[in-house]
Amino acid sequence: EADIYQTPRYLVIGTGKKITLECSQTMGHDKMYWYQQDPGMELHLIHYSYGVNSTEKGDLSSESTVSRIRTEHFPLTLESARPSHTSQYLCASSEGVGTDTQYFGPGTRLTVL
Amino acid sequence: AQKITQTQPGMFVQEKEAVTLDCTYDTSDQSYGLFWYKQPSSGEMIFLIYQGSYDEQNATEGRYSLNFQKARKSANLVISASQLGDSAMYFCAMDSNYQLIWGAGTKLIIKP
Repeated sequence: EADIYQTPRYLVIGTGKKITLECSQTMGHDKMYWYQQDPGMELHLIHYSYGVNSTEKGDLSSESTVSRIRTEHFPLTLESARPSHTSQYLCASSEGVGTDTQYFGPGTRLTVL
Repeated sequence: AQKITQTQPGMFVQEKEAVTLDCTYDTSDQSYGLFWYKQPSSGEMIFLIYQGSYDEQNATEGRYSLNFQKARKSANLVISASQLGDSAMYFCAMDSNYQLIWGAGTKLIIKP
């Protein structure tokens, strides 16, 4: 089981602000993911990484960007937040081998006013 | 195209009863994996159980079991002896091209 952390848990911010959602895992997993999820709805993959210096866009178009400079850290940045970005953002990681089960952090609930 | 279908948007079940959550999938891959996750109202996604397409036996984890019927392309989650703490959203997912394809989820409410 992975230990994966996200901060902040809740964020209320005004339109136009730059924000960074933090995600860290302590299991040395190579693969990391960011999902966007509206309440009670399915998850949509917005970014993923197979390792350091590897980042890819997911199926859902997103105005956010990510970086993977260290194995354990996978931050997501929104340069200019808008009300349409209001959602829950979930970070996950997986070993990349075997069943490749994804383990999730607690999520960040973002509200853009 | 790969797809996961969960046909039950919501379910009410009496405490201590068993409950089956439906999941059907569509894939042309020969090798794939199926996952179930639980999402309480607090928002985190909790991994419950995994079934590989080549596993001959149905997966079990405590009170959770997966009723895997490969020919029907179904992977239903069975929760035995339901508890109030089982109330949550439940998502079925399938791995595809090293990513997960997610169903829309089923909201399960356990009644005391």
